Amino acid sequence: GENVEQHPSTLSVQEGDSAVIKCTYSDSASNYFPWYKQELGKRPQLIIDIRSNVGEKKDQRIAVTLNKTAKHFSLHITETQPEDSAVYFCAASFPNYGGSQGNLIFGKGTKLSVKP
Amino acid sequence: DGGITQSPKYLFRKEGQNVTLSCEQNLNHDAMYWYRQDPGQGLRLIYYSQIVNDFQKGDIAEGYSVSREKKESFPLTVTSAQKNPTAFYLCASSMINTEAFFGQGTRLTVV
Repeated sequence: GENVEQHPSTLSVQEGDSAVIKCTYSDSASNYFPWYKQELGKRPQLIIDIRSNVGEKKDQRIAVTLNKTAKHFSLHITETQPEDSAVYFCAASFPNYGGSQGNLIFGKGTKLSVKP
Repeated sequence: DGGITQSPKYLFRKEGQNVTLSCEQNLNHDAMYWYRQDPGQGLRLIYYSQIVNDFQKGDIAEGYSVSREKKESFPLTVTSAQKNPTAFYLCASSMINTEAFFGQGTRLTVV
């Protein structure tokens, strides 16, 4: 069935280092891939997204890459800071899920810890 | 808190009791979703709705029910059939195939 796998589940880096989180998806028809950041006890908030007609997108220290052939996409955070510590979720749209369009299926999340 | 509101923030349920979680949005979004999040876990889809008066089961619909009588409202009822309801519940809305906006969540605890 429809699935999004996310790795790693936890990631610890030193401040200033880069962090990479990877996701794979099961449906080649998926065409929208958002990334969310969730701080403790708060709602997930969108940090960056990419559509299937684009291979890479950057926004300051954050970038997302998409490989449609391999059905995987990655989040890259450079020059990490302590305030980047949070849980990050990837998601993919599944146009054929349940007969409807555009439902998001989320990965299980990655807990990122940035040590000062 | 822009556009999508969940209430209450905290909710306590006794054994065998049904409770209803509210979700309202003023973003004119067609789609609305309910997710469950267990401590340290990801987001699991309970129910979703693409249009008024229509909704579909997600991965973990057993023990839950929803209604979509108005475009802006998508309440979730946790029934007594849900044996382990203690969790953080998140409502979201979106236009089709675009960014989902989340409410602030409802933390449900069985007492």
